[in-house]
Amino acid sequence: AQSVTQPDIHITVSEGASLELRCNYSYGATPYLFWYVQSPGQGLQLLLKYFSGDTLVQGIKGFEAEFKRSQSSFNLRKPSVHWSDAAEYFCAFRGSNYKLTFGKGTLLTVNP
Amino acid sequence: DSGVTQTPKHLITATGQRVTLRCSPRSGDLSVYWYQQSLDQGLQFLIQYYNGEERAKGNILERFSAQQFPDLHSELNLSSLELGDSALYFCASSVETSGPEQFFGPGTRLTVL
Repeated sequence: AQSVTQPDIHITVSEGASLELRCNYSYGATPYLFWYVQSPGQGLQLLLKYFSGDTLVQGIKGFEAEFKRSQSSFNLRKPSVHWSDAAEYFCAFRGSNYKLTFGKGTLLTVNP
Repeated sequence: DSGVTQTPKHLITATGQRVTLRCSPRSGDLSVYWYQQSLDQGLQFLIQYYNGEERAKGNILERFSAQQFPDLHSELNLSSLELGDSALYFCASSVETSGPEQFFGPGTRLTVL
């Protein structure tokens, strides 16, 4: 079955620390991959995307993600977290159909 | 601001009622998608329209329907509402010719009492 797994429901980091959010997908080929962020009461904002080519992609707000085909993973990273990064993060893919399949999300708490 | 607008922002109604959620896509985007976000199901794809035609259907109940109008705005109609329909409903749009990424509106929070 096509699915996205985000194994960490909730992560807490200190401001200035590095961050890695994990994402694994299950799909028969290489899909289009995305990370979205949702702040409380807000919509989903696209952080970055992977279609093909360079497996390390840069996004907005200093985030980057690395696609690893062998591990079916697309982990999100940031070298130094800011308090404003506290939000919920969703990994998603789009396969041959048009819909996005989302993971359950990872809630990020940032301690001062 | 993604450029996708949704109205209303909040909607409170009673069981058995019918509501209409409205979405205006980004300028130039021909595709509109509807998603439902709930605590137990997470983000679920409901339906997609492309240039006025239904293109893909997901986990959309028969009580729900949608359409896309000639000016490309879309409406999601929810009828015979049940308590379990309480959720955040998102609209997204994409142009597709330049990439498959979807841009989301701020959502409509529906509360069914």
